[in-house]
Amino acid sequence: QSALTQPASVSGSPGQSITISCTGTSSDVGGYNYVSWYQQHPGKAPKLMIYDVSKRPSGVSNRFSGSKSGNTASLTISGLQAEDEADYYCSSYTSSSTLVVFGGGTKLTVL
Amino acid sequence: QVQLQESGPGLVKPSQTLSLTCAVSGGSISSGDYYWSWIRQPPGKGLEWIGYIYYSGSTYYNPSLKSRVTISVDTSKNQFSLKLSSVTAADTAVYYCARAGYSSSSSGWFDPWGQGTLVTVSS
Repeated sequence: QSALTQPASVSGSPGQSITISCTGTSSDVGGYNYVSWYQQHPGKAPKLMIYDVSKRPSGVSNRFSGSKSGNTASLTISGLQAEDEADYYCSSYTSSSTLVVFGGGTKLTVL
Repeated sequence: QVQLQESGPGLVKPSQTLSLTCAVSGGSISSGDYYWSWIRQPPGKGLEWIGYIYYSGSTYYNPSLKSRVTISVDTSKNQFSLKLSSVTAADTAVYYCARAGYSSSSSGWFDPWGQGTLVTVSS
């Protein structure tokens, strides 16, 4: 069982927007602005899409955005494209000795 | 830009020690701006953080693996390594190395990642 809770799957049609949630506790997501999001295509390494809740690394499309409210962080993808179909993982710094916790992952299907 | 590449045996026998190395190119481990990390992913499952190392040798480990894990750094070769002892089938996974953010101003992120290497524990 993962420390952070994500929906197992979400789907959307091309051009639409979708949001993936990531729920933790006050010891991780709620306590720090250190949530990051990763995109992973089959057989590939994860790619950083969002860090520090809402910052985008250079080269990442501005269709990807992050936010947080309380103990839940969210990744929003606007203008959905076929290439966005992938698994998405959230992670957070945690005050526990574990230091870093991941969500279980969400499979995004572009219909 | 910085690139990372994992290397090591793809098959390890139960009870033995898994050993992997991550070679860093396009940047210096010794710059001190980042930590360096190992993360693993069992087949079909999610990600698990294994540990961090700083160029000075300072380490942080996941408590669930701490008794079996050693991460070390060789700044002269610009690489860092992972050793996991007493492995079982549950340690079968793709092992990734990554550059990590770990500071008071930005933390908990990993970028970039190596391509990953599958390590199977089997006799």
